[in-house]
Amino acid sequence: DQQVKQNSPSLSVQEGRISILNCDYTNSMFDYFLWYKKYPAEGPTFLISISSIKDKNEDGRFTVFLNKSAKHLSLHIVPSQPGDSAVYFCAASGGGSQGNLIFGKGTKLSVKP
Amino acid sequence: DTGVSQDPRHKITKRGQNVTFRCDPISEHNRLYWYRQTLGQGPEFLTYFQNEAQLEKSRLLSDRFSAERPKGSFSTLEIQRTEQGDSAMYLCASSLTIGFSNYEQYFGPGTRLTVT
Repeated sequence: DQQVKQNSPSLSVQEGRISILNCDYTNSMFDYFLWYKKYPAEGPTFLISISSIKDKNEDGRFTVFLNKSAKHLSLHIVPSQPGDSAVYFCAASGGGSQGNLIFGKGTKLSVKP
Repeated sequence: DTGVSQDPRHKITKRGQNVTFRCDPISEHNRLYWYRQTLGQGPEFLTYFQNEAQLEKSRLLSDRFSAERPKGSFSTLEIQRTEQGDSAMYLCASSLTIGFSNYEQYFGPGTRLTVT
């Protein structure tokens, strides 16, 4: 049973526009959420995180929004650039386990020039 | 600091052979994690260490898998009697974690294992 779900396997966006990547989770005990970006043949690269006590966190072009009542988070990239093309993973921790991250299956973002 | 490093980057082995992977975390990080990723999936947790103590193991970590972090620095992951189903990317990550606070994990480039 998947505890972290990314229901869109892929997303295509025009350069300069906003990219919105979505993630849903089922475990209400999760208290920390992260987004990672992954290029082929490389390990995931940390992008941005948010604690469950917040509903928004910004870092440059990246903003993560958390809606705890809906168990939903999203990553906004504005403006999108061709170099943002990669697979984006949502991850969560907490829920009784302090050690590991639970990942979604990822969303492949393509930013077209 | 050069980040998390893993060796080898690629390993091809025949079914039934043993393989060992190494991970060097970011030097000041006290936690080290192992994950496995297969095609079309996100990374799946295998085990983690706080300093030299192995604190959690996933049910994915069968008896053929063993991990060590003898001096609280680098770690090794050994797979005995490899099976074709072990073919995957093995990822190592590290973090500086204090108490029960949450901190981001930084990943290495991974070791791609192919079992023929």
